[in-house]
Amino acid sequence: DIQMTQSPSSLSASAGDRVTITCQASQDIRNYLNWYQQKPGKAPKLLIYDASTLEAGVPSRFSGRGSGTDFTFTISSLQPEDVAIYYCQQYDNLPPWTFGQGTRVEIK
Amino acid sequence: EVQLVESGGGLVKPGRSLRLSCAASGFAFDIYAMNWFRQAPGKGLEWVGFIGSKRYGETTEYAASVKGRFSISRDDSKGIVYLQMNSLRPEDTAVYYCSTRQQKTYWGQGTLVAVSS
Repeated sequence: DIQMTQSPSSLSASAGDRVTITCQASQDIRNYLNWYQQKPGKAPKLLIYDASTLEAGVPSRFSGRGSGTDFTFTISSLQPEDVAIYYCQQYDNLPPWTFGQGTRVEIK
Repeated sequence: EVQLVESGGGLVKPGRSLRLSCAASGFAFDIYAMNWFRQAPGKGLEWVGFIGSKRYGETTEYAASVKGRFSISRDDSKGIVYLQMNSLRPEDTAVYYCSTRQQKTYWGQGTLVAVSS
């Protein structure tokens, strides 16, 4: 199974700060990576797919990049409504489709 | 618009069975694989299982944690995918989501399964 190592597990930043989360795959997953935002009691919300494609309606302050094994997710200017847990997920080829451990983002 | 609506969750005693349904609409259901995921309270996301389209023999795959206890089936005429859960354990307590990946990944809103005596 492909392991996804996501870091940090949590972070606290000020509104307006640039925030970056990394996700490393245990083997090459090409660009088959999603980034999700999850708020309490809600289903995961897709923000980025194919590693760098912004989902329709998602603010442009969210971005993703990378391919192969190393990926980054960035919020260019953190907003109060961005407080959530963020997950990466790989979907290369065959199941199981695995997730990172999640990053809890908080506002200082 | 793609919509996935799960149902069938509830409180069940250990060792009992439960069947979840996921009603799909807004896309050609019969040509897409479907997945089930789950999230235990306060925990991360976990893939549960997969069913391929009829074109690919409706192949199924399961996570090791549920293999032999859970099974997935689909009814293309109704646009529904099922998750049959047998021999339920307290550690199966979670919100269960169905999902499909087309150009991008779609998720339902989830249904809560609680396994407790």
